[in-house]
Amino acid sequence: NAGVMQNPRHLVRRRGQEARLRCSPMKGHSHVYWYRQLPEEGLKFMVYLQKENIIDESGMPKERFSAEFPKEGPSILRIQQVVRGDSAAYFCASSPQRGRLNYGYTFGSGTRLTVV
Amino acid sequence: AQTVTQSQPEMSVQEAETVTLSCTYDTSESDYYLFWYKQPPSRQMILVIRQEAYKQQNATENRFSVNFQKAAKSFSLKISDSQLGDAAMYFCAYRSEGTGNQFYFGTGTSLTVIP
Repeated sequence: NAGVMQNPRHLVRRRGQEARLRCSPMKGHSHVYWYRQLPEEGLKFMVYLQKENIIDESGMPKERFSAEFPKEGPSILRIQQVVRGDSAAYFCASSPQRGRLNYGYTFGSGTRLTVV
Repeated sequence: AQTVTQSQPEMSVQEAETVTLSCTYDTSESDYYLFWYKQPPSRQMILVIRQEAYKQQNATENRFSVNFQKAAKSFSLKISDSQLGDAAMYFCAYRSEGTGNQFYFGTGTSLTVIP
């Protein structure tokens, strides 16, 4: 049973380009969470999605960032017109349902985005 | 708002010795959950141990144990018989009804294990 799969593992984009990060949750998991880890910091919540629904996007920057989790296929985190400050590691986690509070998510290995 | 503080950016321990990583948090809630995650160079976030705030007994997982002091809002991680494979970043995290599905993470402690 494969874990949470994220790709690409490393992504380099020039300022102004678009970045698309993919996350395939564990088999049977229908809930996906995206977190961002800036250098020297812990992970910070961005968005929580179920299939075809955004449940909580309170951590998502209001502009340039969007996320989706379609009925078929992986969840996508999209960053338009990237800037240097978007350079970070982006982690995805999944759970089979709205996780019990003592449930520790299964995280992917992250995508490291570098904006040059 | 909940905050999680890890005041030790770096720690080191001799192989086979014991080390304690500190974590404090701030909350007005009485029911919550605390976690320690390990992040090796591979970047994979691995759950090490969890503690429910309503439980007085400290959680233990093999060589890993916690010292949970609810009144002091302290949640330290003790690693006994340290092994080279324990070298990693360690993150303390908080979760509660008030945070919904969000984890609040500290800034991490980088642990070096000296052979």
